[in-house]
Amino acid sequence: GIQVEQSPPDLILQEGANSTLRCNFSDSVNNLQWFHQNPWGQLINLFYIPSGTKQNGRLSATTVATERYSLLYISSSQTTDSGVYFCAGDDYKLSFGAGTTVTVRA
Amino acid sequence: DTEVTQTPKHLVMGMTNKKSLKCEQHMGHRAMYWYKQKAKKPPELMFVYSYEKLSINESVPSRFSPECPNSSLLNLHLHALQPEDSALYLCASSQIRQGGGPYNEQFFGPGTRLTVL
Repeated sequence: GIQVEQSPPDLILQEGANSTLRCNFSDSVNNLQWFHQNPWGQLINLFYIPSGTKQNGRLSATTVATERYSLLYISSSQTTDSGVYFCAGDDYKLSFGAGTTVTVRA
Repeated sequence: DTEVTQTPKHLVMGMTNKKSLKCEQHMGHRAMYWYKQKAKKPPELMFVYSYEKLSINESVPSRFSPECPNSSLLNLHLHALQPEDSALYLCASSQIRQGGGPYNEQFFGPGTRLTVL
């Protein structure tokens, strides 16, 4: 499978701050997803974004497939945004990055 | 309905026990997956079923035995597990692209947290 690198590994934010998470892939991917894992372990789908830009509320994502990276933007962060953010992409299987642990402080 | 359900939520078992994890989806997806996630690590793929047939086994020990009785259900039978098998077990499902190409967006259940004593 492909190798997925996420950065930064940890992020501490003050409520209301903006941030950018990055995901690099070792090879081209057919599917690319961003997830948020909550403290109970549930993986919540944020974006399915093999290419282009999408927005959902305070979150947006951009994938530049030709350069093998994707970015997740969090704007006006809230404490409920805390958790682990994973990106994952596949050739024949979905390979996950190590995740970015986000802590938003009130 | 865009939900994948898993039962039980928590399971504690001894090394000589036999137990099963269950997963159900009603999204009409024809691919289903089992993942294992250890603490502070990303999920790792174990098995993939497509059209109710096992298509990928990521060299998982035989003490884990998957089963797909129909297109909505996926089971994982557990027998003679070791303490190091304690983990969060996640089920997922997705459509399959026409022509059988790479899998589409995956949707995950809430997981079963397994403890092996």
